[in-house]
Amino acid sequence: RKEVEQDPGPFNVPEGATVAFNCTYSNSASQSFFWYRQDCRKEPKLLMSVYSSGNEDGRFTAQLNRASQYISLLIRDSKLSDSATYLCVVSLNTGGFKTIFGAGTRLFVKA
Amino acid sequence: DGGITQSPKYLFRKEGQNVTLSCEQNLNHDAMYWYRQDPGQGLRLIYYSQIVNDFQKGDIAEGYSVSREKKESFPLTVTSAQKNPTAFYLCASSEGTGGRLYEQYFGPGTRLTVT
Repeated sequence: RKEVEQDPGPFNVPEGATVAFNCTYSNSASQSFFWYRQDCRKEPKLLMSVYSSGNEDGRFTAQLNRASQYISLLIRDSKLSDSATYLCVVSLNTGGFKTIFGAGTRLFVKA
Repeated sequence: DGGITQSPKYLFRKEGQNVTLSCEQNLNHDAMYWYRQDPGQGLRLIYYSQIVNDFQKGDIAEGYSVSREKKESFPLTVTSAQKNPTAFYLCASSEGTGGRLYEQYFGPGTRLTVT
């Protein structure tokens, strides 16, 4: 089992749709959680950190469920510019720093 | 402008040659990281450094070496011992480690092709 698992997609949605991604992680000692977006052949860019209480940034909402060990990302009112790969990232420090990137979920938003 | 720079953007080398990838940051971040990304795969950690003059191996350190002589610089050398060096190499930095300090910011990457 991978340490961080994401549905690779692709998710094909029309503009204006709401889309949700889930990500599961296997290590219960995981401490910090993030969503990044990565455009084709570019570097990942931090989208948002994920807090225990959940957090929202404009059209983006992230949730953390420690009991079930998953995090989610909800995108409302999708724009063409949201088309990208979304990476789930988990960090922990158990005697040594460790950060694990999921392989990503591909999103295509079409007009 | 604050940020992370990597050079060159594209690099071509012959098999058997060592090559050094540059990474510089002016964010005053303590921690720096090197990852490689292969097509269709997640990023994998090669080395990281939490403080000057100290660095630790990541998950795939074999065939790579690093140095951290200055806070702002963390060069990566891909040696001839690395069996499959062709990849997209990404450098990142964060304020530190722990909580939001783990938020990593990436440079634009170097695409290395070894033939």
